[in-house]
Amino acid sequence: GAGVSQSPRYKVAKRGQDVALRCDPISGHVSLFWYQQALGQGPEFLTYFQNEAQLDKSGLPSDRFFAERPEGSVSTLKIQRTQQEDSAVYLCASRSGGVTDTQYFGPGTRLTVL
Amino acid sequence: QKEVEQNSGPLSVPEGAIASLNCTYSDRGSQSFFWYRQYSGKSPELIMFIYSNGDKEDGRFTAQLNKASQYVSLLIRDSQPSDSATYLCAVSSGNTPLVFGKGTRLSVIA
Repeated sequence: GAGVSQSPRYKVAKRGQDVALRCDPISGHVSLFWYQQALGQGPEFLTYFQNEAQLDKSGLPSDRFFAERPEGSVSTLKIQRTQQEDSAVYLCASRSGGVTDTQYFGPGTRLTVL
Repeated sequence: QKEVEQNSGPLSVPEGAIASLNCTYSDRGSQSFFWYRQYSGKSPELIMFIYSNGDKEDGRFTAQLNKASQYVSLLIRDSQPSDSATYLCAVSSGNTPLVFGKGTRLSVIA
């Protein structure tokens, strides 16, 4: 595809439910990032993959958050036992790894935990 | 902890004026600097990136970087109502994730 895609675009979950958010990066982009953006805030880093390797997961807020990218393309962010404070927009970005080092964002998944 | 600071605004400018958006960062090792525009309910969209001290111009946009002062700015000339959005400053140290500021909300008044 031409850009980064994410699904679902909107997710409503009951507290305690598990959710899975999907990201399809730009074809050929080796680096993939997940960010969490709360209302009125800038995006905050969660985790980073280079191909299938998860190089940095220091931003994951708790062990309820888990991300994978098993074949180095599509990535899934899973949140177990969702809490109300998990409500946010989850943004995925990919980067070619070239000299310009720019990241391109997907449309995001808006998660609401009731 | 690496921090990026921005005035949250709102910054209001009349149509046709120059809008000046400012950002400071704490990590002296930062190498790459980005400005993203984010419309309400949308994802961030890259406007400019800059790596070297000085000015970089692209159409109506000029990014300015002063590493000694740890300061980066974005100037928007001939501001249009369609420029009304939140502008996010982001900083990276090479191959590290972006650290974002909270964003400055710009309102261009027709």
